[in-house]
Amino acid sequence: GAVVSQHPSWVICKSGTSVKIECRSLDFQATTMFWYRQFPKQSLMLMATSNEGSKATYEQGVEKDKFLINHASLTLSTLTVTSAHPEDSSFYICSVAGEPQHFGDGTRLSIL
Amino acid sequence: GEDVEQSLFLSVREGDSSVINCTYTDSSSTYLYWYKQEPGAGLQLLTYIFSNMDMKQDQRLTVLLNKKDKHLSLRIADTQTGDSAIYFCAERAKAAGNKLTFGGGTRVLVKP
Repeated sequence: GAVVSQHPSWVICKSGTSVKIECRSLDFQATTMFWYRQFPKQSLMLMATSNEGSKATYEQGVEKDKFLINHASLTLSTLTVTSAHPEDSSFYICSVAGEPQHFGDGTRLSIL
Repeated sequence: GEDVEQSLFLSVREGDSSVINCTYTDSSSTYLYWYKQEPGAGLQLLTYIFSNMDMKQDQRLTVLLNKKDKHLSLRIADTQTGDSAIYFCAERAKAAGNKLTFGGGTRVLVKP
């Protein structure tokens, strides 16, 4: 069965809207989760490391005020794309740190 | 820094074996992974190998690791049309803070 649940799987919204994506660890408590972004026909790009009870660690070039991460519990991390614009349209995937690392099914975000 | 490379495309006939190759540069790699991504979906963990192993077999999948040459391969026996997907190799390296570094992905097309 699924180890990581990501919701929603697809969202379409107007420019300027904020969108929240949830990532849940189903099988175990996760102190660390990861958020990735994937452009069409490209590989995954790590955006940030989500740490339970503390601030997320962002990769170079990722705007932390644009991509807000909250990891308030051991089973849930959320990524909020604030004031989304068409260039934020992408496929966002989360994963739960562990050995091995399991991934969610992804969220396709389309900003009109 | 770490770098993971894969060939872009592989075409194979149904029933034949597929071999997907991957090279990496970080000698501090601890685990190496193979993930499968079907269109519009997240990443499915196929198999992984610890860096002190040479080979791992799991049903139709065989992973070979040449640590000296920093070369990883995935062999799929009796390839089926359902194996058509993008395959990503990834490494987890101490030097990268245990984050995963992904290759660019190999698109495998299985012809009937």
